[in-house]
Amino acid sequence: DAGVIQSPRHEVTEMGQEVTLRCKPISGHDYLFWYRQTMMRGLELLIYFNNNVPIDDSGMPEDRFSAKMPNASFSTLKIQPSEPRDSAVYFCASSLGGVNSGNTIYFGEGSWLTVV
Amino acid sequence: RKEVEQDPGPFNVPEGATVAFNCTYSNSASQSFFWYRQDCRKEPKLLMSVYSSGNEDGRFTAQLNRASQYISLLIRDSKLSDSATYLCVVTPYGGATNKLIFGTGTLLAVQP
Repeated sequence: DAGVIQSPRHEVTEMGQEVTLRCKPISGHDYLFWYRQTMMRGLELLIYFNNNVPIDDSGMPEDRFSAKMPNASFSTLKIQPSEPRDSAVYFCASSLGGVNSGNTIYFGEGSWLTVV
Repeated sequence: RKEVEQDPGPFNVPEGATVAFNCTYSNSASQSFFWYRQDCRKEPKLLMSVYSSGNEDGRFTAQLNRASQYISLLIRDSKLSDSATYLCVVTPYGGATNKLIFGTGTLLAVQP
């Protein structure tokens, strides 16, 4: 079975440009998560959805970041305008049911973003 | 104080050694506990869940001490392929139960 699919895998963009990261969760999974990983801060949850509805976006750093999940098989994370401090690996993950119910979260391979 | 704290390492050990990682968490109401493994430039993957009674999976043993808010991972007979970053993970209690909170990880390098 296909895992979580993210695109692009790598992106280099100039400061001020809009960045859109895409994610296709595992089919049938009802939870979708966006994480960001940096050397300084490690893995941080940005936002998660349940049945396409945003449940917790308290980790979204600021208004420049937005996430949508228009349907069960697609989500986007958008940064506009991008800044050098946004450079990080952005992971999308999905799970069938909640973690505290014993379900495993599966991560995509990540989108490596560099803002210059 | 960080919610989940780990010694970043690196831990450099010879093949065959036993190595232990520790992790502390700040929220006494944390509900679920895990160890994840992350290879260099790869995504995190679940290694094992951690239960109060302790649990073992082959060469790996995980322990949870709720009173001390402490989690451990023991790896016996280390292999070269065990070289990776080991991430301690907890979930809060209550409404945000699906929010995995990661430690910054402990780097293990197993030497031949």
